[in-house]
Amino acid sequence: DARVTQTPRHKVTEMGQEVTMRCQPILGHNTVFWYRQTMMQGLELLAYFRNRAPLDDSGMPKDRFSAEMPDATLATLKIQPSEPRDSAVYFCASGLPRGGGGTGELFFGEGSRLTVL
Amino acid sequence: SQQGEEDPQALSIQEGENATMNCSYKTSINNLQWYRQNSGRGLVHLILIRSNEREKHSGRLRVTLDTSKKSSSLLITASRAADTASYFCAEAQGGSEKLVFGKGTKLTVNP
Repeated sequence: DARVTQTPRHKVTEMGQEVTMRCQPILGHNTVFWYRQTMMQGLELLAYFRNRAPLDDSGMPKDRFSAEMPDATLATLKIQPSEPRDSAVYFCASGLPRGGGGTGELFFGEGSRLTVL
Repeated sequence: SQQGEEDPQALSIQEGENATMNCSYKTSINNLQWYRQNSGRGLVHLILIRSNEREKHSGRLRVTLDTSKKSSSLLITASRAADTASYFCAEAQGGSEKLVFGKGTKLTVNP
């Protein structure tokens, strides 16, 4: 049963600490998205990759957030230093582009719930 | 904001009734998608409608798309308590791989 796997599922940390979230996309999917979900802002697109190359990371606070794909089976989202306003659920999703253009169906992980005290 | 808007923000109905959710988006699109999210879980894809389609069906779901008004609607017929969830539309923006989500409609189906 192919699924997107995210770790950790829950993380509580103190302000100023580094946080790394990991995502294993579905094998064969070449597009990976990172979203952040909060009650106030809803689902915000942070960054997305195609064939491991970042296509757009304009949704990320550049000074503290970074996203990478070291290889096709791993995507990482790092926050350094973390702040209380970063508290949210972070979702990774993977998929394939559609032949006619645009992104097709995305498969989401269960999310990483981050609390920064 | 890059996000579209769903309407209503919350909807409460009785089992067996139909539920209609609307979505407005802001850019030209390749396609528009609807997703469902149960509390505390990830999003699950429901249906995709291409920009050149006007209506699509999948089981109890019916989606319409009006590109002239930049709007879409999701109809769930004969709702069940298990349909209780949040529903999101997502615009696959033209000229890019971006998939941008609206803020969602929280649907409660009462038994």
